[in-house]
Amino acid sequence: GAGVSQSPSNKVTEKGKDVELRCDPISGHTALYWYRQSLGQGLEFLIYFQGNSAPDKSGLPSDRFSAERTGGSVSTLTIQRTQQEDSAVYLCASSLTAKDTQYFGPGTRLTVL
Amino acid sequence: DAKTTQPPSMDCAEGRAANLPCNHSTISGNEYVYWYRQIHSQGPQYIIHGLKNNETNEMASLIITEDRKSSTLILPHATLRDTAVYYCIVRISNFGNEKLTFGTGTRLTIIP
Repeated sequence: GAGVSQSPSNKVTEKGKDVELRCDPISGHTALYWYRQSLGQGLEFLIYFQGNSAPDKSGLPSDRFSAERTGGSVSTLTIQRTQQEDSAVYLCASSLTAKDTQYFGPGTRLTVL
Repeated sequence: DAKTTQPPSMDCAEGRAANLPCNHSTISGNEYVYWYRQIHSQGPQYIIHGLKNNETNEMASLIITEDRKSSTLILPHATLRDTAVYYCIVRISNFGNEKLTFGTGTRLTIIP
């Protein structure tokens, strides 16, 4: 079946602009996660959704980062006033419930000039 | 989540079995061992997970020692497409511990 999809696959933006990254989880998966991976670094947890609620936002690096999920499905990660250090691959994962295996999407590569 | 220790890199000849070790000496009784891999520029791919017993699926086998302090991921017949970074993660599978904590993994290179 269809896996996790993310769009866009690549995004180049200028410093100071806002960006929105989209994640479509596997159908029926109630839990959704955002991670990011900076060049040559490991994966860093950002935020987790159970349904439309975000019980754990502990990984969001600053108040410029926000995320929402609607209809228990699609999620959007928004970065306001982007900075060069925001350049990274942003990865989304979903799982049937929060206790189950997480499946990742292909990621969005964000480049801030 | 318990920390894991993996060798930074390994080579394996194509067609041979690749055995990737992971130490997790502080694992607790209700923590699972998960393996993911990341092929260059792609999202992490789930491989296998287990709690106590050895596990096998179409991709790999997972051997967990009796004391659960270490495990080995086995790719039985490695191909060039298995070249990737392999991550061993231990995780309590209950609510309140949802995030995965990735370490630095093992960079496996399959040699033709």
